Amino acid sequence: KQEVTQIPAALSVPEGENLVLNCSFTDSAIYNLQWFRQDPGKGLTSLLLIQSSQREQTSGRLNASLDKSSGRSTLYIAASQPGDSATYLCAVPQDNYGQNFVFGPGTRLSVLP
Amino acid sequence: DAMVIQNPRYQVTQFGKPVTLSCSQTLNHNVMYWYQQKSSQAPKLLFHYYDKDFNNEADTPDNFQSRRPNTSFCFLDIRSPGLGDAAMYLCATSMTGYTEKLFFGSGTQLSVL
Repeated sequence: KQEVTQIPAALSVPEGENLVLNCSFTDSAIYNLQWFRQDPGKGLTSLLLIQSSQREQTSGRLNASLDKSSGRSTLYIAASQPGDSATYLCAVPQDNYGQNFVFGPGTRLSVLP
Repeated sequence: DAMVIQNPRYQVTQFGKPVTLSCSQTLNHNVMYWYQQKSSQAPKLLFHYYDKDFNNEADTPDNFQSRRPNTSFCFLDIRSPGLGDAAMYLCATSMTGYTEKLFFGSGTQLSVL
């Protein structure tokens, strides 16, 4: 059964710092991996989707990498801003024939002005 | 431009009083999901529809039911809410499932008194 963990659970950094969020999954036979952002009391917004054949994806100041063999993904945020403060979650398909996704518990990020 | 719309944003119900949450989408996606998310936890899948095909997670309580009368709408019915059902309920869609991005609504925060 696929399980997803995220480290750290919470992170507080000063504005301008570059930072890395980590996601680990137990079954490396994944089709893709998604990173989401969740603001307090809101739904999730998709940030990046990395296909299993890709090693990384970039969108603006965000860069996500995927290492299937080690069961890890990282989300790199460059030059962090207070507006980046949110919870960041990763998700992978439960398996490669259904429609279910398994989510990690998220990393709560605070960027201090 | 809202693509996945959940109503209401906040719902308060009494212990044991049936409640219905609604979700609509303008994306014409085949798959619609209902997730339950409790504070600081990962979203947990309750069930999903692939078109009209209903898929219930094994550990979803019988208290939770769902209806999808057409492509655009999906409802979550909680027949007899308990205090433990207080949570954020998230509706999501995907074109075909695990190969595609997930799109979430803003969620409905359910309180049970």
